[in-house]
Amino acid sequence: EAGVAQSPRYKIIEKRQSVAFWCNPISGHATLYWYQQILGQGPKLLIQFQNNGVVDDSQLPKDRFSAERLKGVDSTLKIQPAKLEDSAVYLCASSLMAGGTAGYGYTFGSGTRLTVV
Amino acid sequence: DAKTTQPPSMDCAEGRAANLPCNHSTISGNEYVYWYRQIHSQGPQYIIHGLKNNETNEMASLIITEDRKSSTLILPHATLRDTAVYYCIVTGGGNKLTFGTGTQLKVEL
Repeated sequence: EAGVAQSPRYKIIEKRQSVAFWCNPISGHATLYWYQQILGQGPKLLIQFQNNGVVDDSQLPKDRFSAERLKGVDSTLKIQPAKLEDSAVYLCASSLMAGGTAGYGYTFGSGTRLTVV
Repeated sequence: DAKTTQPPSMDCAEGRAANLPCNHSTISGNEYVYWYRQIHSQGPQYIIHGLKNNETNEMASLIITEDRKSSTLILPHATLRDTAVYYCIVTGGGNKLTFGTGTQLKVEL
């Protein structure tokens, strides 16, 4: 099966600019996640979608970050305006069921590496 | 979700078994143990998971102690391509995966 697709692979922007990342999950996967991974740390969950509804966005900095998942398939994550501390890899993952239980693990994309200068 | 403790780094000779430990002393009865790994510049990759019984698949074996307070991921014949950060995660039904800092495994010739 095709994996989770993400684009772009790399992005360099100046602080205060805006940026958007795109994710196409595995076909049929109802749950989609966006994670932020700062260098040297494990991934941190930003937002979880179930179909096109938000399940958990408690760790999303809503003053500058937004995400949507139209029609329950593709998703975009936007940062506006970007700060230096937003430099990180942004990972998208999908799973057949919420929580990855009962053998339905998460499948991650390769991520978008964002550098804010 | 229960907290996990892993050593920050481990080394292993190629061809030998790599045994990666994880402590999860506060695990509750409905929580699973998951293992993922992250090779440099890639997203995390699912390896294996278990609840109570030991599990084996084509990638690895998972040994969970009887009291479920700790587990060990075993890569039976480690290769250079197994060099990665390995994450042990404990989570219950419906909960999301929360990653720690994991164990950096370095497989050497």
